[in-house]
Amino acid sequence: DTEVTQTPKHLVMGMTNKKSLKCEQHMGHRAMYWYKQKAKKPPELMFVYSYEKLSINESVPSRFSPECPNSSLLNLHLHALQPEDSALYLCASSQESQLETQYFGPGTRLLVL
Amino acid sequence: AQTVTQSQPEMSVQEAETVTLSCTYDTSESNYYLFWYKQPPSRQMILVIRQEAYKQQNATENRFSVNFQKAAKSFSLKISDSQLGDTAMYFCAFVPYGNNRLAFGKGNQVVVIP
Repeated sequence: DTEVTQTPKHLVMGMTNKKSLKCEQHMGHRAMYWYKQKAKKPPELMFVYSYEKLSINESVPSRFSPECPNSSLLNLHLHALQPEDSALYLCASSQESQLETQYFGPGTRLLVL
Repeated sequence: AQTVTQSQPEMSVQEAETVTLSCTYDTSESNYYLFWYKQPPSRQMILVIRQEAYKQQNATENRFSVNFQKAAKSFSLKISDSQLGDTAMYFCAFVPYGNNRLAFGKGNQVVVIP
């Protein structure tokens, strides 16, 4: 089973709202990732968690706050977003964080008004 | 920095025909993985095929096969007997050993015509 689940599928929020995206995997993977993807572009890496510790932050604005409560769960907390943050947010996981295949979830389509 | 180049941004193919997508990459590493991911309109990024650089044999997965030319740094994907469900954006990706950053190409849009 190579399933990564993400909720919600769609999210509309105002610039003053606070919301969270959730990602879950039960494959025993120890690395989890957040990506941002604009239409017709490749995904852009935002954060990497390895063994529940943040190992990479690709200079993401602080209005995006990741959290890894346990090895199966990854959250992305959103606050005071801008319209340009509207995108597809993809979560992925891999066995370890190096030289391993990443398996992606279906994504959350975010619209910031 | 690793770079991945995909040309031919959009391609059309008749159902049951064969289409080949090209990908080249630039690296000084000797040990790495290469991937082709497929992203249909449903948006899910699906792993199509994986190639380890130390393996000379080209990977195959059912109707999908690759032509891996390490010296030329080339990694093309062949889709045989194209089906309507193959309509998607295809991304070539690269990750060197000791690094967890996937480098993606810009993608190829493939449309299968009935």
